[in-house]
Amino acid sequence: EVQLVESGGGLVQPGRSLRLSCAASGFTFDDYAMHWVRQAPGKGLEWVSGISWNSGSIGYADSVKGRFTISRDNAKNSLYLQMNSLRAEDTALYYCAKGRGDPTVDYFDYWGQGTLVTVSS
Amino acid sequence: DIQMTQSPSSVSASVGDRVTITCRASQGISSWLAWYQQKPGKAPKLLIYAASSLQSGVPSRFSGSGSGTDFTLTISSLQPEDFATYYCQQANSFPGTFGPGTKVDIK
Repeated sequence: EVQLVESGGGLVQPGRSLRLSCAASGFTFDDYAMHWVRQAPGKGLEWVSGISWNSGSIGYADSVKGRFTISRDNAKNSLYLQMNSLRAEDTALYYCAKGRGDPTVDYFDYWGQGTLVTVSS
Repeated sequence: DIQMTQSPSSVSASVGDRVTITCRASQGISSWLAWYQQKPGKAPKLLIYAASSLQSGVPSRFSGSGSGTDFTLTISSLQPEDFATYYCQQANSFPGTFGPGTKVDIK
């Protein structure tokens, strides 16, 4: 059974940093692209970032480019999102999602339960 | 970026009803479209990809059609567990954008 478990969310002040993690199991992690997708409270879905199986190809939404960094550790079956210079508009539930192919534009066939990031002073 | 719109924004229906949701892309996306179901407090779930391919484990009452700019998701006979919000998403060009969602609730 595919499982994706996010962690690392919390309350953070504007301008500060946070690192999210996603632990994957139930599939061959290093065969697939992985993604972060977020959902602001009461709002729709927004793709944030994706990374290819070997970290050779990475993509970011314009809204986070230059502030967020995605990475993965295939030996640990883990995905990460380093979030710097956080803004109030980054407040959202952040989902880790398994991709089917392309790290920059993809379908998401499994999702974690999300970790909540709240940016507020 | 490609803009995705959905109609209606909400629909009230009864168990057993046939429900159709429409998604439109601001430019042609061939068949690079997915549909997701999201229940309150839960993560989205992939239902349909490539416009009409049913994801493994998804009941056959769900079907998708369309290509280019216009797409539909049809639930042939609505079941109690189908009351949820449905999102379309294009996977044709960066960044993969989502529609605003269609809420299906109980009539």
